[in-house]
Amino acid sequence: EIVMTQSPATLSVSPGERATLSCRASQSVSSNLAWYQQKPGQAPRLLIYGASTRATGIPARFSGSGSGTEFTLTISSLQSEDFAVYYCQQYNNWPPFFGPGTKVDIK
Amino acid sequence: QVQLVQSGSELKKPGASVKVSCKASGYTFTSYAMNWVRQAPGQGLEWMGWINTNTGNPTYAQGFTGRFVFSLDTSVSTAYLQISSLKAEDTAVYYCAREGDGSGEFDYWGQGTLVTVSS
Repeated sequence: EIVMTQSPATLSVSPGERATLSCRASQSVSSNLAWYQQKPGQAPRLLIYGASTRATGIPARFSGSGSGTEFTLTISSLQSEDFAVYYCQQYNNWPPFFGPGTKVDIK
Repeated sequence: QVQLVQSGSELKKPGASVKVSCKASGYTFTSYAMNWVRQAPGQGLEWMGWINTNTGNPTYAQGFTGRFVFSLDTSVSTAYLQISSLKAEDTAVYYCAREGDGSGEFDYWGQGTLVTVSS
């Protein structure tokens, strides 16, 4: 099975600043990677799929990049509603495991 | 619009069973696979498996065989998760999630169902 890791575990950012989150796969997942956002008490929401395609209704400040084993989610200018936990997930190989998450909190 | 609406919170005693429902609307139910994801308190997302909504064939992740059963009622566009012989460690929020257009990402999620197992 493919193991997903995310770094950092917690990222403290000021509103308006840029946030860069990393996700690494233990072996290549091609571009079959998704990013999800989860706020407290809510279900996860799909942000990015195919490593770089924004899901419907996702603001342009969210962007994804990478392929193979190294991926990045960038939030260009953090808004108050962006403070949340972000998970990556590979779906290139079974089982489609999630990474452990990165919590983005207010600096 | 696509919606997945799950049944309400459950409080169960150890050894009991629970059945969580996930009612889909806004799309053709049998055209998209349904996945189940567990989230223990304060923890991350754990993929439990999926069910082919066309054939009814379930696939379970390691650790979710035996006591966990996925099923469907296509006449009411609803997927079910049944857990038997409940243990305290089954306490979690359970989500259903639709698999996107043949790629594998989970594009729509239910609101989650909290199952609490306590004596």
